[in-house]
Amino acid sequence: QKEVEQNSGPLSVPEGAIASLNCTYSDRGSQSFFWYRQYSGKSPELIMFIYSNGDKEDGRFTAQLNKASQYVSLLIRDSQPSDSATYLCAVIPNDYKLSFGAGTTVTVRA
Amino acid sequence: DGGITQSPKYLFRKEGQNVTLSCEQNLNHDAMYWYRQDPGQGLRLIYYSQIVNDFQKGDIAEGYSVSREKKESFPLTVTSAQKNPTAFYLCASSNSGGNTLSYNEQFFGPGTRLTVL
Repeated sequence: QKEVEQNSGPLSVPEGAIASLNCTYSDRGSQSFFWYRQYSGKSPELIMFIYSNGDKEDGRFTAQLNKASQYVSLLIRDSQPSDSATYLCAVIPNDYKLSFGAGTTVTVRA
Repeated sequence: DGGITQSPKYLFRKEGQNVTLSCEQNLNHDAMYWYRQDPGQGLRLIYYSQIVNDFQKGDIAEGYSVSREKKESFPLTVTSAQKNPTAFYLCASSNSGGNTLSYNEQFFGPGTRLTVL
């Protein structure tokens, strides 16, 4: 079983809609969870991190963490064409080394 | 401008050849990392270094070597022992190695795309 799993997509949403991305992880002791955005051919950039159960909001982005279900999600509200990218979920399992999922590709249709 | 630079942007390697990818940062970060990304896959850790003159193997270190003689620099050599080196290589740095409860954001360089001819 992979440490971090994501649906590869592509996820296609109309402009203005909510994009919902899901991520599950295998190590129950994981403490820290991250969402990176990666445009095609570019390097990843951190957009959200979350440590505690519940929701964390930052602008149009909301991260949701449920440690009991080993599940972390990212919601993108009012999706814009500039949100079209691959979103990588990353987890710190049992040390400080990040473990990445394969990413979900999002396409926002104008 | 503070940041991480990687060179070259594109690199072509012949079979049996060693090549070295450069990574330099002026963020005064202690920790540096090398990742490999294959199409449709996430990032896999090759090597990391928490302090000068010290480094550890990541998940896929075979066929690679690194050095950390200066805080600012963490070059990666792809040796001929790496049988499938074609990939996108990303270097990152952070303030410290951190731990599970005190994560310091990793900043990524622009990447080097390596192709074997």
